[in-house]
Amino acid sequence: AQSVTQLGSHVSVSEGALVLLRCNYSSSVPPYLFWYVQYPNQGLQLLLKYTTGATLVKGINGFEAEFKKSETSFHLTKPSAHMSDAAEYFCAVRGSGSARQLTFGSGTQLTVLP
Amino acid sequence: DTEVTQTPKHLVMGMTNKKSLKCEQHMGHRAMYWYKQKAKKPPELMFVYSYEKLSINESVPSRFSPECPNSSLLNLHLHALQPEDSALYLCASSQDSLTPGLFFGSGTQLSVL
Repeated sequence: AQSVTQLGSHVSVSEGALVLLRCNYSSSVPPYLFWYVQYPNQGLQLLLKYTTGATLVKGINGFEAEFKKSETSFHLTKPSAHMSDAAEYFCAVRGSGSARQLTFGSGTQLTVLP
Repeated sequence: DTEVTQTPKHLVMGMTNKKSLKCEQHMGHRAMYWYKQKAKKPPELMFVYSYEKLSINESVPSRFSPECPNSSLLNLHLHALQPEDSALYLCASSQDSLTPGLFFGSGTQLSVL
């Protein structure tokens, strides 16, 4: 079984400020972890993923996330927010070596204030 | 070509209509998926096709009928839908059903009147 908890359904930051979106997971097997972004009236775009290897993962648009097994976390960060970062962000988990599918978190709406 | 293309982008239909949603990818992916997404909610898996065969049906009502004519195409046939079926329908693909990471299309926004 696997699940994802995203802390904070809404996060607001000022333009230029640090973005931190929190994700905690549970999985009975080593997980694959993902962050997706969804702009209004669009599909989901993969920001980054962790499968194996380096625990600090760099993605597109300046985002990165760190897999912390001891904390069962995979928080998403960006040093400096841009207005174009305003969107819905979904964390997702999948069991490794499994045919089962993605389990999504409930999402975090990021607002960037001028 | 790294895109998943969905048509139409918007669809309005009555409860007695029959319509189809289409999805196409040319990345050589052998797994394709249909998701349903209600506003402000995460996507919910409906169907998974692996090598053109239906491998997962997440207890979806029979008024939704998927079809995978070939490895590049995925259809979702709709018949006798209910207003609560109004949602964004997303298609996705992956290299195969075991490879992590999905590529999503932009979706079809469906309204059932």
